[in-house]
Formats: sequence, C-alpha cells, structure tokens
Amino acid sequence: DIQMTQSPSSLSASVGDRVTITCRASQSISSYLNWYQQKPGKAPKLLISAASSLQSGVPSRFSAGGSGTDFTLTISSLQPEDFATYCCQQSYSTPETFGQGTKLEIK
Amino acid sequence: QVQLQESGPGLVKPSETLSLTCTVSGGSIRSCYWNWIRQPAGKGLEWIGRIYTSSNTNYNPSLKSRVTMSIDTSKNQFSLKLSSVTAADTAVYYCARGRGGVVRGIYFDYWGQGTLVTVSS
Repeated sequence: DIQMTQSPSSLSASVGDRVTITCRASQSISSYLNWYQQKPGKAPKLLISAASSLQSGVPSRFSAGGSGTDFTLTISSLQPEDFATYCCQQSYSTPETFGQGTKLEIK
Repeated sequence: QVQLQESGPGLVKPSETLSLTCTVSGGSIRSCYWNWIRQPAGKGLEWIGRIYTSSNTNYNPSLKSRVTMSIDTSKNQFSLKLSSVTAADTAVYYCARGRGGVVRGIYFDYWGQGTLVTVSS
C-alpha cells in the first residue's frame, strides 16, 4: 500500500493567515492526489482533485500543487469556516489511502 | 444534487456480520463507483472497497477476506457486509460516490453523513 504522510499533524493559525499543509507519498503517485476538508461530526468534503483542480464551489483562497511524492495545500487567507481537519488521498493505486489528517485550529 | 444515506444497525456483536446499505438519490447508481470508507474515532479514513458496473468490485486487501459488496440498481442502493467483526471494526462508516479514471484517479465527490457502528457484546 502507498503510505501518505501529512505534516504538520496540527496547526494553530489566525484568521487572515496564509497556511500550507504538506502531504508526502511513500512512492511516486504522479498527480493522483486529492484533498478533503472534514469538520467535526461531518463527512469529508472534496476540495481538490488531481493535485490542483479546485472543485466547483470551493473558494479560490484554496490552492494546491505538487506531483510525484510531494504535495501542498495552501489557504491564502484563513476564514473562520476554514478551521477543520484536512486530509489527502492518493488515487494512483488500489487500495486508495488517506493521510492521517492535519487539524487546523484557531490561535 | 446527489445524496447518499447509510442505514443499518448501530450495534453489532463480536464475530457477527456488519451489514449496511447506502441509498442514492438524485442520480443513477448505474454509473460511477460506489464506495465504503470508514473512520475509527479520532483516526484517519480507511477505504474499504467499491462496487461498480455489472457488480465489479475492488476491496482493500486488508479486509478482502471479510468484505462483500452488492448493488441493487432497481432500488438505487448498494450494500456492505463485513463478517467476523471485532472491536477494531468499530468506526463511522461512510458511503461515497467515486468518479474519475478507470484504473486510477478516483476521487470521492459525494458522501453520506456517516453511521456509527459499534462492535460490542
């Protein structure tokens, strides 16, 4: 299985800050990387597919990039509704695997 | 708007079989990939498996010996059975629609709200 490792595991930031979350794959996955946002007690929400393709309705302050083994998710100016857990998922090979998540908290 | 809704018992005894159904509305189940994903409390997501056209299935090798998925196109539903459960199978179980490539590139764009299944005697 491909292992997905996110860093940091948690992050404290303030409204208006720019934050970047990193996801690393244990082997090259080309651009087969998706990002999700999950709020407590809720299902994950797809933000980005294919490493950098923003889903319809997702604010443009979210952006992502990378290829191979290293990927990033950036939120350019944090809004109160962005405080949540973010996780990556590789879709290069079965079984699809997820990162352990990065919890973004209010400072 | 596609919607998914899980249903099934919230409590299952050890060694028994966990059974869940996902009802899809707002779209046909005859296309796309239909997945089960679980999340133990405070932990990350684990993909269990998927079912798609003509009842093709892919299962996570770690669970393959215990998992069976089926699909009922007449009811727009798909189901999960997980046998010989233990406390380690206690988790929130989500059903999710998968889209994307045939061999790779599948992403999960619609999810059910999730249902907590506890394995306990």
